[in-house]
Amino acid sequence: EPEVTQTPSHQVTQMGQEVILRCVPISNHLYFYWYRQILGQKVEFLVSFYNNEISEKSEIFDDQFSVERPDGSNFTLKIRSTKLEDSAMYFCASSRGGQGASGYTFGSGTRLTVV
Amino acid sequence: QKEVEQDPGPLSVPEGAIVSLNCTYSNSAFQYFMWYRQYSRKGPELLMYTYSSGNKEDGRFTAQVDKSSKYISLFIRDSQPSDSATYLCAMSAVQAGTALIFGKGTTLSVSS
Repeated sequence: EPEVTQTPSHQVTQMGQEVILRCVPISNHLYFYWYRQILGQKVEFLVSFYNNEISEKSEIFDDQFSVERPDGSNFTLKIRSTKLEDSAMYFCASSRGGQGASGYTFGSGTRLTVV
Repeated sequence: QKEVEQDPGPLSVPEGAIVSLNCTYSNSAFQYFMWYRQYSRKGPELLMYTYSSGNKEDGRFTAQVDKSSKYISLFIRDSQPSDSATYLCAMSAVQAGTALIFGKGTTLSVSS
């Protein structure tokens, strides 16, 4: 079963530091996403990415956030200057789109702790 | 943010029971409906994917969508202790490339 792989599984960082969360989406998927889940709360959409550009973003995804697909397999989320309230689980997802589409596949997540 | 409502539970049932999980939504543009299972501190795992109204069955799981009532359901037959998890409904207006809007999740506990 193909899967979305995320690294690291847990990252602790000091407030104000930059972090990069990494994801390897499913190889034949064309759409990539980042979501976050603060403990005890809903899974929230951050951004979607298609054809090497952002296709949609939420109000959470402000100038502190950026995404990149640096090569043919990786998809990254960068938080430039972390705040305490950025502590959450961050999930990468991918989807195929088009005929035969079957929903969004999520990775296991990166637990980000900002101290 | 478009809203999806889901009773958070918790819901406790004995092994073998039929479980019914539900979500309501307000945005009539939603066309694609998904159910995910999530274990503590893990990623959502896709269980069911449906388009528009109707039923879909996969093993012990049945998903129903009633767009006229803006109501979706997931039924689990012959529930097992391994079904104990949080179940999330999610939906979107287009097939891909856009935000998937989640409910808050229903926590299910199946006792043996």
